[in-house]
Amino acid sequence: SYVLTQPPSVSVAPGQTAKITCGGNNIGRKNAHWYQQKPGQAPVLVVSDDSDRPSGIPERFSGSNSGNTATLTISRVEAGDEADYYCQVWDGPSVHVVFGGGTKLTVL
Amino acid sequence: QVRLVQSGVEVKRPGASVRVSCKASGYSFMFYGISWVRQAPGQGLEWMGWISGYTGDTKYSQRVQGRVTMTTDTSTRTAYMEMRSLTSDDTAVYYCARVDTAASEPKFDFWGQGTLVTVSS
Repeated sequence: SYVLTQPPSVSVAPGQTAKITCGGNNIGRKNAHWYQQKPGQAPVLVVSDDSDRPSGIPERFSGSNSGNTATLTISRVEAGDEADYYCQVWDGPSVHVVFGGGTKLTVL
Repeated sequence: QVRLVQSGVEVKRPGASVRVSCKASGYSFMFYGISWVRQAPGQGLEWMGWISGYTGDTKYSQRVQGRVTMTTDTSTRTAYMEMRSLTSDDTAVYYCARVDTAASEPKFDFWGQGTLVTVSS
């Protein structure tokens, strides 16, 4: 089955740029989606189809996907961005949705 | 606006069944599917499957196949997820989410608030 690998944690100072990676075999051939989940809340889609931002998501959130790595980039990080972030793809061969293990973003 | 409102907290004994509901509003129910995703305490997201709002076709993950049934009632715009033979490993928050099941690369653009299911003797 298809596996997505994320770092368990990323730390960044306010105002800096955070990059959260999602590794998978030839993930660049798939469309990666990213979700933000704050404690006690449901996930929220923040980037879809590698680099699209849903309505209402700040421009500070962006995405890229190439080769074996998809990346969520958060520019000018704010304290309110502290959350868990999950990547997700569709695995056609297994006809399954796959989530990464999640990355906890800490704003120092 | 799109809203998915789920039923309340459930506490079940091992071996029992649970049914969680998800009422949709703010969009054409039959144009989208409903997926179910669960999250065990302190753990990540686990996709359980989905149901098409138009055809009623379902797809389940291998892990829950055989124990889960997903249905919809188009007259009330409500989706249901029933899980049988519960064990403590099924203790989790269960989320419903809107999905375009016909998309080549499906994503979940709106989520319900979650339903905590606790399985304990």
